[in-house]
Amino acid sequence: EADIYQTPRYLVIGTGKKITLECSQTMGHDKMYWYQQDPGMELHLIHYSYGVNSTEKGDLSSESTVSRIRTEHFPLTLESARPSHTSQYLCASSETVNHEQYFGPGTRLTVT
Amino acid sequence: DQQVKQNSPSLSVQEGRISILNCDYTNSMFDYFLWYKKYPAEGPTFLISISSIKDKNEDGRFTVFLNKSAKHLSLHIVPSQPGDSAVYFCAAIISGSARQLTFGSGTQLTVLP
Repeated sequence: EADIYQTPRYLVIGTGKKITLECSQTMGHDKMYWYQQDPGMELHLIHYSYGVNSTEKGDLSSESTVSRIRTEHFPLTLESARPSHTSQYLCASSETVNHEQYFGPGTRLTVT
Repeated sequence: DQQVKQNSPSLSVQEGRISILNCDYTNSMFDYFLWYKKYPAEGPTFLISISSIKDKNEDGRFTVFLNKSAKHLSLHIVPSQPGDSAVYFCAAIISGSARQLTFGSGTQLTVLP
């Protein structure tokens, strides 16, 4: 069973606030990913990492930033939240690029 | 341009019958395909996958069929159970490349008791 955790699960925050969404995995996976998903839409990759100190932007442009200082930890930060950031954010990890990705439970973010 | 398409946003099936979820792709370079299931307020969970060297892969009640010439894959669930009610996403990848998974928009399956 996959062990990947995200906190908080739900967050309602005002415009302009800085927020960090946490993601941790205990499987020792090198590859980690952040997706953004709106209801009825596909998952869009916004950031990924192939290992410590390695981060790349995904296909969907995002104003968020990520860091990968430890293998198990891949936090996502929004410096100044806006209503357009309202979405579900899903973190995932995989053993290799070609292996199945294991997803965390997601963070439902609402920016008012 | 959506490279992986799930044209049916929803599907309702009676319990015990077969559920067939469809997925089309446009990029002929995709050679590995996956299906994920997602319950509300949870992350997607991996269900089953298939490599392009196969045309069928079976795991219990779940079977995935791949038709490369038609660029089409389908997920069959037999027999369908109420607990199968969820959103199903198909995803595709080009093995050995630095490219990431490309997801479809999902199909909401409802299995009626």
